[in-house]
Amino acid sequence: GENVEQHPSTLSVQEGDSAVIKCTYSDSASNYFPWYKQELGKRPQLIIDIRSNVGEKKDQRIAVTLNKTAKHFSLHITETQPEDSAVYFCAASKTGGFKTIFGAGTRLFVKA
Amino acid sequence: DAGITQSPRHKVTETGTPVTLRCHQTENHRYMYWYRQDPGHGLRLIHYSYGVKDTDKGEVSDGYSVSRSKTEDFLLTLESATSSQTSVYFCATTGGDQETQYFGPGTRLLVL
Repeated sequence: GENVEQHPSTLSVQEGDSAVIKCTYSDSASNYFPWYKQELGKRPQLIIDIRSNVGEKKDQRIAVTLNKTAKHFSLHITETQPEDSAVYFCAASKTGGFKTIFGAGTRLFVKA
Repeated sequence: DAGITQSPRHKVTETGTPVTLRCHQTENHRYMYWYRQDPGHGLRLIHYSYGVKDTDKGEVSDGYSVSRSKTEDFLLTLESATSSQTSVYFCATTGGDQETQYFGPGTRLLVL
């Protein structure tokens, strides 16, 4: 069935360093790839998304890249700050499909 | 937060008892979802609804049922709770684009 694999499951970086989280999806018909951030005890919230007709998208310190051929997409956070510490989920869905498939999540620790 | 609320926010119950969780939204979103979140598994879809009285199963639907009699309310019922259903349950909605998911605050359920 449809699947999204996410790596790593845990990531620890020093404040100011970059963090990269990678995801692979199985359904080649997927065309929407959102990333959600979940702070401790809170609900997941969308931080950035990318559609299949775009290879890269940036929003201040975060960026997402998509390789449709390899069915890979990645989240890049530059100049990490302690408030970036959270669980990040990648996801994939397709137009007309009712379901969003989530990765298992990456717990990011940013050490001050 | 797209006007999504969940009730109750916390519940402790005993094995074998029925439990109903409620999701209420004020955004007039057509699509609604129930997920469970467990360590190492990310967000797994239990059931979803694509309109009033239109529902379907997700990947982990065994032991759960849902109902949607009004656009704004989506109920999740555990007919006979088991300890394996101890989890955090999130409701989510999407608007017309069927893309971005807006999550409720979550319900923490403990089945003893």
